[in-house]
Amino acid sequence: AQSVTQLDSQVPVFEEAPVELRCNYSSSVSVYLFWYVQYPNQGLQLLLKYLSGSTLVESINGFEAEFNKSQTSFHLRKPSVHISDTAEYFCAVTNTGNQFYFGTGTSLTVIP
Amino acid sequence: ETGVTQTPRHLVMGMTNKKSLKCEQHLGHNAMYWYKQSAKKPLELMFVYNFKEQTENNSVPSRFSPECPNSSHLFLHLHTLQPEDSALYLCASSLGVSGGSGELFFGEGSRLTVL
Repeated sequence: AQSVTQLDSQVPVFEEAPVELRCNYSSSVSVYLFWYVQYPNQGLQLLLKYLSGSTLVESINGFEAEFNKSQTSFHLRKPSVHISDTAEYFCAVTNTGNQFYFGTGTSLTVIP
Repeated sequence: ETGVTQTPRHLVMGMTNKKSLKCEQHLGHNAMYWYKQSAKKPLELMFVYNFKEQTENNSVPSRFSPECPNSSHLFLHLHTLQPEDSALYLCASSLGVSGGSGELFFGEGSRLTVL
């Protein structure tokens, strides 16, 4: 079975500063990795995903994540955050496309 | 209408009530899921359906009863719930096992409060 660890439950950061949200996973087989974002009173939306190929994946709104197999990590980064990035971020893993395992989430608060 | 739609968005019920949550997807997906989201906990997978067949029941109490009449609709029937069942219930869909690594598409959730 797989599991996901998001060590940081809350991350406050000033506007236009860089941010990194950490995600580590455990799995004995090849996995697919995802980052989801949840805004207040909404469901989860896919931010980006790693399936294969380049280990660096990007989203349309400036986030990127790098798959590191040796460290079993998939950290999410953004070089300059905006107020609108304030949300809950979830890391997820699957190896079958059927069973998805989620972390406990990281609450990102961007401070003006 | 596109995506995954959940109704109702908010539900308050007593412990003796019977109610249902509804989920509908217009993405042509083959798999549908119910997740429970409680504060400070990982999303808890409750049920998975592939091609209308239940393929996963994650030790969910029998007071939660899922129903999947077709690949586009999923229900969660609720009966004699407990206050600790209060949570956000999220429906999701995906291409399923046949789709390999297809991601989950979520609805906006049904906020349930059990009094």
